[in-house]
Amino acid sequence: TQLLEQSPQFLSIQEGENLTVYCNSSSVFSSLQWYRQEPGEGPVLLVTVVTGGEVKKLKRLTFQFGDARKDSSLHITAAQPGDTGLYLCAGAATGGFKTIFGAGTRLFVKA
Amino acid sequence: DAGVTQSPTHLIKTRGQQVTLRCSPKSGHDTVSWYQQALGQGPQFIFQYYEEEERQRGNFPDRFSGHQFPNYSSELNVNALLLGDSALYLCASSLGTVNTEAFFGQGTRLTVV
Repeated sequence: TQLLEQSPQFLSIQEGENLTVYCNSSSVFSSLQWYRQEPGEGPVLLVTVVTGGEVKKLKRLTFQFGDARKDSSLHITAAQPGDTGLYLCAGAATGGFKTIFGAGTRLFVKA
Repeated sequence: DAGVTQSPTHLIKTRGQQVTLRCSPKSGHDTVSWYQQALGQGPQFIFQYYEEEERQRGNFPDRFSGHQFPNYSSELNVNALLLGDSALYLCASSLGTVNTEAFFGQGTRLTVV
């Protein structure tokens, strides 16, 4: 059974701090996506990483895909209250149609 | 360009009843996936439809069924509702090739009482 484990589950930090969220699996994924979800809304796609070792930057957010394509991380620099939300990683095994999600990391950034 | 739209946004049903949720995919997308998201959890894959057929299914009982229409829109049907079916139901659309990026609707909040 494929599983994506996210850590930490919950993170409460002050505005301006840096943080890293991790997404780990024992399975190999052809790609991984990171989403952000606000309460009562659907997830919004932030980025897709495809190549092992790939690093993508989206303003203050840096995403990395592990060399073996089994893990990924999301690093936020100088967090702002607007970054508050549920961060989800998701992926599908090579050739598969079923996308699985991690349980998410709930981030709260205090002003 | 309209994104993924779902209806209704909220729904309250009684245990044992049946419910139908609807989804219109993003323009140009031909694949629809349905997810169930319980409070505090990540979305759980229910099934995916492509070319009007169920392409893959998650670990959900037969009470959960679906349909895709020629215009790529989709319905999720749940029979014999249980209290545990209360959740946010999300629809995501994508292109037909595997492992492509999915775009989500705002979800339907189903409450079973």
